[in-house]
Amino acid sequence: EIQLLESGGGVVRPGGSLTLSCAASGFIFNDYGMRWVRQAPGKGLEWVAGINWYGESTGYGDSVKGRFIISRDNAKNSLYLQMNNLRAEDTALYYCARDGSGPHYRGYLADWGKGTAVTVSS
Amino acid sequence: SYVLTQPPSVSLAPGQTARITCGGDNIGSKIVHWYQQRPGQAPVLVVYDDTDRASGIPERFSGSNSGNTATLTISGVEAGDEADYYCEVWDRSSDTCVFGPGTKVTVL
Repeated sequence: EIQLLESGGGVVRPGGSLTLSCAASGFIFNDYGMRWVRQAPGKGLEWVAGINWYGESTGYGDSVKGRFIISRDNAKNSLYLQMNNLRAEDTALYYCARDGSGPHYRGYLADWGKGTAVTVSS
Repeated sequence: SYVLTQPPSVSLAPGQTARITCGGDNIGSKIVHWYQQRPGQAPVLVVYDDTDRASGIPERFSGSNSGNTATLTISGVEAGDEADYYCEVWDRSSDTCVFGPGTKVTVL
């Protein structure tokens, strides 16, 4: 069974930093691209970042570009999202998701974690 | 950047057919995926690559994509189909993922 378990969320002040983690199991992690998607309270889905199978290719949504960094450790079957200079509008539930189409991150999201909540507030 | 449009809500009685549209400029030239999100739960892939049903999804769900509109059809809607539905495309020109705003399906 494929499982994606996010962690690292919490409350942080504006301008602060936070690193999210996603522990993957049930599939060959380094065969697939991965993405982070977020959902603000009561709002829709927003793509945050994507990374290919070995991490040499990444992409970011416009609202987080230059502030967030996606990375992965295939030896640990883990995905990360380093979030810097956080703003109130970054408050959301952050989901980790597996790209079901293969090694890149531009396909469909076949599996999702349950999410980890980030609140940016003073 | 590329913009997707969806009706905010669709309401129908059990057994009816729901057609959820996803509009975008020449969306027929792009690949569309659909996700279902029940209240308080993570999204679930329903249809991918325009027309392919995800594993475990009932045959009642189907997808199409042509021209400026992609459509997710739920035939014989059931109470358990109540959820928000999102379409998604990858916009090659901006190299970004775009989600539609979502459609809330209510089964009366």
